Amino acid sequence: AQSVSQHNHHVILSEAASLELGCNYSYGGTVNLFWYVQYPGQHLQLLLKYFSGDPLVKGIKGFEAEFIKSKFSFNLRKPSVQWSDTAEYFCAVYTGGYQKVTFGTGTKLQVIP
Amino acid sequence: DGGITQSPKYLFRKEGQNVTLSCEQNLNHDAMYWYRQDPGQGLRLIYYSQIVNDFQKGDIAEGYSVSREKKESFPLTVTSAQKNPTAFYLCASSEPAANEKLFFGSGTQLSVL
Repeated sequence: AQSVSQHNHHVILSEAASLELGCNYSYGGTVNLFWYVQYPGQHLQLLLKYFSGDPLVKGIKGFEAEFIKSKFSFNLRKPSVQWSDTAEYFCAVYTGGYQKVTFGTGTKLQVIP
Repeated sequence: DGGITQSPKYLFRKEGQNVTLSCEQNLNHDAMYWYRQDPGQGLRLIYYSQIVNDFQKGDIAEGYSVSREKKESFPLTVTSAQKNPTAFYLCASSEPAANEKLFFGSGTQLSVL
């Protein structure tokens, strides 16, 4: 069965710092990859997704992620974070079959003004 | 306004009691899911359903039951067999096409009295 690892559980950054959140998955075949975000008191929502094509995908609010197949990774990046980026971020993978999506354990990002 | 509605927002369960969490969607999605969110453990899949009258166990189905009698409804029952039910429960649905983007409800916080 596939699994997803997010090694950073809690990240604290100052505003304008650069962000990179790690995500690794274990599955040898074709994958669809996602980053979801949960802002305080709000629904989980999709930040960006990769299905095929250009491995560098851009999402909302200036976020981007790069799919590196050889490293089984899909790290999330943002050049300059804002206080409003404070949230919990979840990486997820879909490998086909019965439309089952597997989530990582999440990373809590706290941005200090 | 399309979306997923979960109710109630907060629910308390007494020992030995079964409780049912409601999930309704008006997005015309075929697939629906129930996830359990615990701090530091991310989202874990309880049950999922691809079509009406069909559902599959996820990774942590023990102590839970579901039904899918209507396309728009996917209620989750937390039975007395679930020994650690305190958690945040999220319902989700996905689009008919095979892209697995999930839409989430606002969640139900279940606590044991």
